[in-house]
Amino acid sequence: GAVVSQHPSWVICKSGTSVKIECRSLDFQATTMFWYRQFPKQSLMLMATSNEGSKATYEQGVEKDKFLINHASLTLSTLTVTSAHPEDSSFYICSAREWYKRNTEAFFGQGTRLTVV
Amino acid sequence: ELKVEQNPLFLSMQEGKNYTIYCNYSTTSDRLYWYRQDPGKSLESLFVLLSNGAVKQEGRLMASLDTKARLSTLHITAAVHDLSATYFCAVVQSRDMRFGAGTRLTVKP
Repeated sequence: GAVVSQHPSWVICKSGTSVKIECRSLDFQATTMFWYRQFPKQSLMLMATSNEGSKATYEQGVEKDKFLINHASLTLSTLTVTSAHPEDSSFYICSAREWYKRNTEAFFGQGTRLTVV
Repeated sequence: ELKVEQNPLFLSMQEGKNYTIYCNYSTTSDRLYWYRQDPGKSLESLFVLLSNGAVKQEGRLMASLDTKARLSTLHITAAVHDLSATYFCAVVQSRDMRFGAGTRLTVKP
């Protein structure tokens, strides 16, 4: 099956610094990728939809200037958490689908656990 | 707006027992997924259900979909400890994919 690779798997950073998370589709073209955030013992909350070659679509309440999304190619999307604070500590998961194939699964990356100290 | 409700949120079962997790959604959908998540891990795909009346089974898990009732069920048969995890349903409408709150399943000996 298709594979989505996300890294790093975990990262610890200091408050005020920026962190970049990468999401790659390894064997298919993903014109759209999704970024989710998951707090402990909670469900996945959609943060934004990343569209190749255009601006991301952010969910209500998600700061676009804080969570920068770039989808420069059909196989790579990045999420940069800028000026991170402890409250940004969370589990971030990306997802990708082959949108030109109607009946296909959504594939998820391994997730990135971000801890801001 | 697409909304997904999942229940129960917590489920503690004895080994060998049967139980059902429910997933209701608010609008018509293109498909419905069931995922498993182990602590600290990402999502593992269990089932994708595409049409009304669809039923899929894998081992002790069976998923079904009733698009008219906007309801999917995940039935657990003769639970074993290895099934302990959090289970999520996710509903897709166009390019929108929304998750249920998750059901944390604990199977006790």
